Amino acid sequence: AQKVTQAQTEISVVEKEDVTLDCVYETRDTTYYLFWYKQPPSGELVFLIRRNSFDEQNEISGRYSWNFQKSTSSFNFTITASQVVDSAVYFCALGYGGGADGLTFGKGTHLIIQP
Amino acid sequence: ETGVTQTPRHLVMGMTNKKSLKCEQHLGHNAMYWYKQSAKKPLELMFVYNFKEQTENNSVPSRFSPECPNSSHLFLHLHTLQPEDSALYLCASSQLYNEQFFGPGTRLTVL
Repeated sequence: AQKVTQAQTEISVVEKEDVTLDCVYETRDTTYYLFWYKQPPSGELVFLIRRNSFDEQNEISGRYSWNFQKSTSSFNFTITASQVVDSAVYFCALGYGGGADGLTFGKGTHLIIQP
Repeated sequence: ETGVTQTPRHLVMGMTNKKSLKCEQHLGHNAMYWYKQSAKKPLELMFVYNFKEQTENNSVPSRFSPECPNSSHLFLHLHTLQPEDSALYLCASSQLYNEQFFGPGTRLTVL
């Protein structure tokens, strides 16, 4: 069975601080995909990144970066120099078949960026 | 219209009503999904359709009935719901073996 744990229910930081959102996953498969989605107050989930289990390279996209470590089954997400617009709920998810099958989501981390 | 759209955005219904949620994707994808998002619970996958064929049904009660008439449209028919079914219902689509794109959701309240 697969499971995704986001232990941080809510994080509050002041604007311009760096913040890391943790994600730990469990799976017995060797081929899988990990995802991060952002859900702003409007409710629509916005896709941020997909990573397959064979690619452990860290990824950077602007102020966002992701650290995938199979040894600890973690896929953490860091926002550098946070901004108020980053305030949202962030979900980590686990999937198979490239994500074409249904995804298993964590409970989400509510990130609050204070001005 | 672009992306994934859902109608209605808000729905209030009684336990004896019958209603339907509609999802439409304008991305040329071949897989569509229904998820349920309740307060303080992870998003729960309900149904998966690949090429209009239902491939997954995660033990969803029969009072929820999906329909996928073509690869661009997905419905969720609701009847005899319970107050605990109140939630945000999210539709998503994907190209097979790629990431899913979500609609804005329908906020359902069952009285």
